[in-house]
Amino acid sequence: DGGITQSPKYLFRKEGQNVTLSCEQNLNHDAMYWYRQDPGQGLRLIYYSQIVNDFQKGDIAEGYSVSREKKESFPLTVTSAQKNPTAFYLCASSIGQDSGNTIYFGEGSWLTVV
Amino acid sequence: GEDVEQSLFLSVREGDSSVINCTYTDSSSTYLYWYKQEPGAGLQLLTYIFSNMDMKQDQRLTVLLNKKDKHLSLRIADTQTGDSAIYFCAESNYSNYQLIWGAGTKLIIKP
Repeated sequence: DGGITQSPKYLFRKEGQNVTLSCEQNLNHDAMYWYRQDPGQGLRLIYYSQIVNDFQKGDIAEGYSVSREKKESFPLTVTSAQKNPTAFYLCASSIGQDSGNTIYFGEGSWLTVV
Repeated sequence: GEDVEQSLFLSVREGDSSVINCTYTDSSSTYLYWYKQEPGAGLQLLTYIFSNMDMKQDQRLTVLLNKKDKHLSLRIADTQTGDSAIYFCAESNYSNYQLIWGAGTKLIIKP
């Protein structure tokens, strides 16, 4: 089935560690996104990529890094510089053309600092 | 910057209609979206409407757009317990690659 796969679903991070969240899509979409969602709140854009080997900062990029070496993959690294990383992380993708930019989401990953 | 506003909660009785409202500020909005998020899951696209349309209906869902007032609504007919979720409104336009999101409305179903 076509879709967006995020892993792991649950991840625990110790203070000072970097962790990487995986996101893979087989929809052949050009654009991919990472959002952060805090409990009871809306979505905030961390990074997005419109095409392979290119990505742009969103509203809350500090303490995060991404790469886009392949069209299907857009991993997010939460670095130790991110002081409050506990949140629900959502990966998404879209065709990336003037088709309304409809975005499709993965099932999300929970990150907890222990 | 551009903004999208939604009420945080809506409570309805099972079997009644639910109407979730959204207002936006971007006068050049081209597409407006409704997404549904169940607990602990990603967002599911419910429907979207082009800005040159007034209404779109899809089974139990009716979307109404008042472009003059920049007001979007989602009506769910015969609300069921499975409709309990958070509903997000979002908008985009041709010059803004990113969607602008509302904070989400939590729909609570009373028996």
